Order: sequence, then C-alpha cells, then structure tokens
Amino acid sequence: EDQVTQSPEALRLQEGESSSLNCSYTVSGLRGLFWYRQDPGKGPEFLFTLYSAGEEKEKERLKATLTKKESFLHITAPKPEDSATYLCAVQGAQKLVFGQGTRLTINP
Amino acid sequence: GAGVSQSPSNKVTEKGKDVELRCDPISGHTALYWYRQSLGQGLEFLIYFQGNSAPDKSGLPSDRFSAERTGGSVSTLTIQRTQQEDSAVYLCASKTGAREETQYFGPGTRLLVL
Repeated sequence: EDQVTQSPEALRLQEGESSSLNCSYTVSGLRGLFWYRQDPGKGPEFLFTLYSAGEEKEKERLKATLTKKESFLHITAPKPEDSATYLCAVQGAQKLVFGQGTRLTINP
Repeated sequence: GAGVSQSPSNKVTEKGKDVELRCDPISGHTALYWYRQSLGQGLEFLIYFQGNSAPDKSGLPSDRFSAERTGGSVSTLTIQRTQQEDSAVYLCASKTGAREETQYFGPGTRLLVL
C-alpha cells in the first residue's frame, strides 16, 4: 500500500530562518510526487511536481528535491506570508495519496 | 484563467437530510476527483472520473455517497441521509487528462451536519 509520512507535524521559525520539511514515501511505480500549500479555509494550492530521483524545482523561497525514498521542501529566508500547511502527495499506479501535512509558522 | 470552482462554500444541514455539492472543473480538464478532508486528517480519495470511462468509486465510504458527472464537465457529489461523521471539507480537483499527473484543487465545500 502506498504511504506518505511528513515530518515534523508542526514547525515554528523566525523570519529569515531557513529550514526543510521532510516527506518520506513508499509507492509502487512512482508517477509523480507533489507539493501543495494549504492556507486555513482554502483548498490546496499546487507548488511542484517531481517525477524522478535527483530532480529539483524552485519557486521563490522554496526548493523541492526528490530521492528514491523521500522529498524535501527547503525554505530559504522565509517570510510570515509563507506560514501555511504544506502537503506532500505521491501518485502511484492507483490513486494520489497524501501525507498529514506540516504546519509551518513564520514569526516576524 | 478560471480555476476549479465549488458550491456552496459552506453547508449546514440536519442529520438525515440529503446534500448535493457541486464542482466546476477547469475548462478542458477531462479528469475530475473528489476528496474529503476531516479535521486533523489528510485528504481522503473518494471518486475519480476520466472522460467517458466508468468512474473509479473505490474511495466512497458507504452507499450513501454517490457522484455523477454530466456532459464530461460539472460534477455533483450527493450524500444521502447525512450523519454527523460526514462533517468535513469536500474538495474537488481536476487535471488535463490521464497522462498529466498534476491535480488542481478547488476551494472546497465545508459541510457541517448537526
């Protein structure tokens, strides 16, 4: 069965303090790994799709990387507006499977 | 362009009543998904439509849940005889087709069953 585990569950950082969020996964036949951002009361907002180990993608202060067992979402010099829940999901042969998310808070 | 839209944004109903939730996918997207997100839980897959193929209903939690997609576009998720445990956010997502993997989500419908 495909599984996704995200850590930590919650993370508090000071503005400008860089860190990484982890997504560990097991999947039969990876067809894609996805990162989404979800703000309270809203639907998930697409950030990145990664397809194969070694792939990296960047967007503003965010960078996503992928290995055969895990993905990292690196956040560099975060700002308060980066506060949100970050969701990781994997697409295998069957359905898209989501992790529980990491709730990120950036304090000014 | 317009994203995925869902209505209503909020719905409060009494236990035992039926509810209908609507999803308008991104124009041209042939694949449509419904998910449920309960408080403190991850997103739970419910049902998947791809073009004219028979839907994948493997995630529907009981026979009280059903969904249809008319004309290959708009979808309606129906919950009959609602229970308190049905309270959750119901999210719809769409993607361009079977080969494209990235799903784009709507804002969700927040359902509260009293």
